[in-house]
Amino acid sequence: DTGVSQNPRHKITKRGQNVTFRCDPISEHNRLYWYRQTLGQGPEFLTYFQNEAQLEKSRLLSDRFSAERPKGSFSTLEIQRTEQGDSAMYLCASSQSGQPNEKLFFGSGTQLSVL
Amino acid sequence: GENVEQHPSTLSVQEGDSAVIKCTYSDSASNYFPWYKQELGKGPQLIIDIRSNVGEKKDQRIAVTLNKTAKHFSLHITETQPEDSAVYFCAATETSYDKVIFGPGTSLSVIP
Repeated sequence: DTGVSQNPRHKITKRGQNVTFRCDPISEHNRLYWYRQTLGQGPEFLTYFQNEAQLEKSRLLSDRFSAERPKGSFSTLEIQRTEQGDSAMYLCASSQSGQPNEKLFFGSGTQLSVL
Repeated sequence: GENVEQHPSTLSVQEGDSAVIKCTYSDSASNYFPWYKQELGKGPQLIIDIRSNVGEKKDQRIAVTLNKTAKHFSLHITETQPEDSAVYFCAATETSYDKVIFGPGTSLSVIP
């Protein structure tokens, strides 16, 4: 296993278009997290899944954002009607629950630019 | 919810010197404090972590200290090398959901 994989690495879109990102976690990990990172800031929590269940969503996640994790494997994050303020790096991380404070392993992210 | 602050925002040291990054957190119930290193174009990578039942932890040139009473924790890098140049993030776990809350980051530059 080569770690957390995210696709695409870069996405350029026009305002108002929909975009979808994919994350493939480390295979044995049952938790999957989405974070957003803007330039010069730390990652901000968006949402997370345990298996296929979405357990928490941040207030940052407007109704234009939706995330899924069918079958508890890969996850997708969709942004509808993109706005310029959505431009950021979208990071995915995975971990194995079952013990407190499990370690997060991050992918390299998808850099979104909304023109 | 949890809020993590981090200082300094930028840090420049000469190769071989030590670097110290300090963080504070707001939620006294937080009990897990990881540190991540992020290189350009990559995701954050865990470099060391500490739990609230421990005051100090060391791994080669990296050490972390935790003061639960003051809600402070720090990262110490000794004998810095150019490859230590990166952005470092401290973080704390909100125990109710086990999600990790990050500080704003410190950009460390090690000058050869």
